[in-house]
Amino acid sequence: KAGVTQTPRYLIKTRGQQVTLSCSPISGHRSVSWYQQTPGQGLQFLFEYFSETQRNKGNFPGRFSGRQFSNSRSEMNVSTLELGDSALYLCASSPTTGSNQPQHFGDGTRLSIL
Amino acid sequence: GENVEQHPSTLSVQEGDSAVIKCTYSDSASNYFPWYKQELGKGPQLIIDIRSNVGEKKDQRIAVTLNKTAKHFSLHITETQPEDSAVYFCAALSGGYQKVTFGTGTKLQVIP
Repeated sequence: KAGVTQTPRYLIKTRGQQVTLSCSPISGHRSVSWYQQTPGQGLQFLFEYFSETQRNKGNFPGRFSGRQFSNSRSEMNVSTLELGDSALYLCASSPTTGSNQPQHFGDGTRLSIL
Repeated sequence: GENVEQHPSTLSVQEGDSAVIKCTYSDSASNYFPWYKQELGKGPQLIIDIRSNVGEKKDQRIAVTLNKTAKHFSLHITETQPEDSAVYFCAALSGGYQKVTFGTGTKLQVIP
């Protein structure tokens, strides 16, 4: 069974640009969550999608958005990129939503802002 | 919101010794506590988890204990091996949705 797939693995952008990251969950998983990982702030929750609906959101500005498609694949978009957005963006999937569901992570997209 | 504290931030042990990582959480409603191992260039990998109705869980060399009264949980790795070297994260979940709060991570180094 294939794991969580994130594309691209690496991305370089400049300030002011926007970027879209993609996540394909484990087959059969319907919940997709996104996280930002930085050395200073650690792993921080961005949002969760389930059945094409955003179910929960972390404390990030509106420049960070996402969506989920009917096949459970998810995309995350960051607009007006800032230097501080440089991070590893991780996607995790679980069979369903709920607070006792194990999450399985992809290997992330490394975003660098110049 | 939930706050998870993790200690120590770094841990060095000799191969074959045991390693213990401790976490505390603040939200008494938290009911699921996973542990993740992250190797360089990889995403976090779920290694063990425990639910609030269980006090201890073991899987081969790895065990997790949970004290709900004191709001703390710990990861125990016995007979450590060099391949156990990685960053370990504890986490807590509460509420009806998937909103995970992670600890700050422990970098474990197993010295051959």
